[in-house]
Amino acid sequence: GENVEQHPSTLSVQEGDSAVIKCTYSDSASNYFPWYKQELGKRPQLIIDIRSNVGEKKDQRIAVTLNKTAKHFSLHITETQPEDSAVYFCAASIGGSQGNLIFGKGTKLSVKP
Amino acid sequence: NAGVTQTPKFQVLKTGQSMTLQCAQDMNHNSMYWYRQDPGMGLRLIYYSASEGTTDKGEVPNGYNVSRLNKREFSLRLESAAPSQTSVYFCASSEAGARNIQYFGAGTRLSVL
Repeated sequence: GENVEQHPSTLSVQEGDSAVIKCTYSDSASNYFPWYKQELGKRPQLIIDIRSNVGEKKDQRIAVTLNKTAKHFSLHITETQPEDSAVYFCAASIGGSQGNLIFGKGTKLSVKP
Repeated sequence: NAGVTQTPKFQVLKTGQSMTLQCAQDMNHNSMYWYRQDPGMGLRLIYYSASEGTTDKGEVPNGYNVSRLNKREFSLRLESAAPSQTSVYFCASSEAGARNIQYFGAGTRLSVL
């Protein structure tokens, strides 16, 4: 079945450094790739997304890149801050579905002051 | 505009007991979802409803039933709870379509003893 692999499972960086989280997906028909941030004890919330007809998208300190050929997409956070500490989930749409998503297992990002 | 509302927030059950988790959204979304979140496992889809009157199984439907009561409400029922169903349950809704942004409720933390 469809699968999304996410790496690393934990990531620790110093404040001000960059953080990169990578995902690969298996469904060639996937065309929508969102990233969700989940703070401790809270609900997941969308932070950025990208569609398959776009290679890169930026929103202030956050960017997402997509390589459809390799079925890879990545989240880049620059100038990290302590409030970026959270669990980040990537997801990919399931081709042919009504918009269902399959999620990666998450990356716990810790930003040390 | 409350978004997605889940009740209850916390619940403790004994093995074999039944209960229904309630979810309501006020964004006039067509699609609604139930996920479970376990440590290190990400978000796994239990059931979804693409539109009022339809429901379909997701990745992990065994032991659960759902009802799409109307466009706003989507409930999840555990008929005979088992310890393996101890988890955090999230309801989500989306407009579906090309950019399927899913909005999550605050979650229900369920313990089955």
